[in-house]
Amino acid sequence: DQQVKQNSPSLSVQEGRISILNCDYTNSMFDYFLWYKKYPAEGPTFLISISSIKDKNEDGRFTVFLNKSAKHLSLHIVPSQPGDSAVYFCAARKNYGGSQGNLIFGKGTKLSVKP
Amino acid sequence: DAGVIQSPRHEVTEMGQEVTLRCKPISGHDYLFWYRQTMMRGLELLIYFNNNVPIDDSGMPEDRFSAKMPNASFSTLKIQPSEPRDSAVYFCASSLGGKQPQHFGDGTRLSIL
Repeated sequence: DQQVKQNSPSLSVQEGRISILNCDYTNSMFDYFLWYKKYPAEGPTFLISISSIKDKNEDGRFTVFLNKSAKHLSLHIVPSQPGDSAVYFCAARKNYGGSQGNLIFGKGTKLSVKP
Repeated sequence: DAGVIQSPRHEVTEMGQEVTLRCKPISGHDYLFWYRQTMMRGLELLIYFNNNVPIDDSGMPEDRFSAKMPNASFSTLKIQPSEPRDSAVYFCASSLGGKQPQHFGDGTRLSIL
């Protein structure tokens, strides 16, 4: 039973346009969400995160939006660049009080940005 | 800055053999995580350590898998005996504190024939 779902396995976008990657979750105990980016033959790299008490977090070209009522988050990349072509993973963490909770990952969305 | 270092990068071995994967976390990080990535199941947490102590090993698939962290700068994941269904990419990650983003190594691609 997947608790974090990325329903689009792939996305193709023109350079300069906006890329929107979506993620849905089922567990209301998740308190923190992260996006990771992964190039082939490399490990995932942390990109941006958002706490469940916020609905938006922005870092340069990357913005993450959280809709708690819909249990949905999205990553916006504006403007998209060819170097953004990678697999993007959504991850969520359960709130275990003060301790580290496990990260639950989605299966990823492969983004291709065409020049 | 040295990131998380995993070795070997690739391992091909026959079923029944013992496999040992190694990880050196980022210096100063007190959390270490082992993940497995497969096409079917995606990226799954196997086990994680805090200050060298295993905290949650509920993701370890079966008794053939074991992990140790003898000191703050080294961890191993061992599979004995290995089976073809263990073929996957295994990632190690570390973090400073439990609530900070995890930093991943480049993984070990394991193929069991």
